[in-house]
Amino acid sequence: DAGITQSPRHKVTETGTPVTLRCHQTENHRYMYWYRQDPGHGLRLIHYSYGVKDTDKGEVSDGYSVSRSKTEDFLLTLESATSSQTSVYFCAISESPGTGTDTQYFGPGTRLTVL
Amino acid sequence: GQNIDQPTEMTATEGAIVQINCTYQTSGFNGLFWYQQHAGEAPTFLSYNVLDGLEEKGRFSSFLSRSKGYSYLLLKELQMKDSASYLCASLDSNYQLIWGAGTKLIIKP
Repeated sequence: DAGITQSPRHKVTETGTPVTLRCHQTENHRYMYWYRQDPGHGLRLIHYSYGVKDTDKGEVSDGYSVSRSKTEDFLLTLESATSSQTSVYFCAISESPGTGTDTQYFGPGTRLTVL
Repeated sequence: GQNIDQPTEMTATEGAIVQINCTYQTSGFNGLFWYQQHAGEAPTFLSYNVLDGLEEKGRFSSFLSRSKGYSYLLLKELQMKDSASYLCASLDSNYQLIWGAGTKLIIKP
């Protein structure tokens, strides 16, 4: 299994509070992704990174920011959490998205509840 | 718009064969992925198709027709451990994965 960890694994917070989720990889892969997964929806891309300090928005980026100061760490921040951000968050990594032989590998997920 | 369609739920019997279909419409196309996701766990990679035809990998096979925007995942000799959700995803022109909502497969003894 690819070496990807996420922390925390579970978090309950209140509306309006800031929240930071961490993704850590030991594979030295260039690309890192943050997705959210909700019932009835496919995985939806929030933000992704294609290198240190290089990030871009995904489909559902509003209300989220990211940072990548080291190859191995990709942080997702909810500046002011809302109930609509209650979800399961997955981090994924890949060497290159350009070829199918290099698939995305997923971390174990973080279950976030915003009350 | 971009759209991936797959059935919400399917039921099959242990030892049987099941086919899970997926149709896709994405901006550009760079391949079709299938992932397996057990409840409460992360998705794991099953297969990738970029050319038309069938790719076989043990009990699992995946088929692609680019002209029809269609793929299927075929699972043979079903086992109870195959009970999971199966996610179809298309790699678009920006090399981003567009995901279907997943098909929950229930295996009955």
